Amino acid sequence: QKEVEQDPGPLSVPEGAIVSLNCTYSNSAFQYFMWYRQYSRKGPELLMYTYSSGNKEDGRFTAQVDKSSKYISLFIRDSQPSDSATYLCAMSENAGNNRKLIWGLGTSLAVNP
Amino acid sequence: NAGVTQTPKFRVLKTGQSMTLLCAQDMNHEYMYWYRQDPGMGLRLIHYSVGEGTTAKGEVPDGYNVSRLKKQNFLLGLESAAPSQTSVYFCASSMTAGELFFGEGSRLTVL
Repeated sequence: QKEVEQDPGPLSVPEGAIVSLNCTYSNSAFQYFMWYRQYSRKGPELLMYTYSSGNKEDGRFTAQVDKSSKYISLFIRDSQPSDSATYLCAMSENAGNNRKLIWGLGTSLAVNP
Repeated sequence: NAGVTQTPKFRVLKTGQSMTLLCAQDMNHEYMYWYRQDPGMGLRLIHYSVGEGTTAKGEVPDGYNVSRLKKQNFLLGLESAAPSQTSVYFCASSMTAGELFFGEGSRLTVL
């Protein structure tokens, strides 16, 4: 079993839909959770960063962490064609320890006009 | 505002050939990283550096060497390329902690 599981999709939704992207993990020591967005033929870019449990909101994006279920989610409201990308979750036990980041495989999202 | 720049963007090699990928960052970041990204395998850390003159092995270092002679540059070398090294290579940089800034990737095919 991989430490981080992420459904690769592809996920296809109409413009304006609410999108839910998810990752599950097995290591209960993970405390820092990130979502990176990767456009086709580009490098990943940080979208959201959360610590421990709870929600964090940034515009149309909400990141949610449920440590009891070992489950993290990224919600996109009013999805736009420009949101079409691959979304990677990443997590670590220690703050800022990028050397020990564990990555999901990414979920491919297509938002259709 | 260049950020992280990788060269070359594309390269085709024959088995056994050598090459070097160059990464340059203009953000004065201490840490730099080389990843490879493969379908079904995700992002895997090859080597990283925590400062000028330092390098360390990541998850999949075999077949690669690195050097960080200048703070802004991080080189990834393949001494004898193998088909298994066909991949997309990403360089990233960060402060000592926090957000990773990635380059646009270098697509390498080894025939």
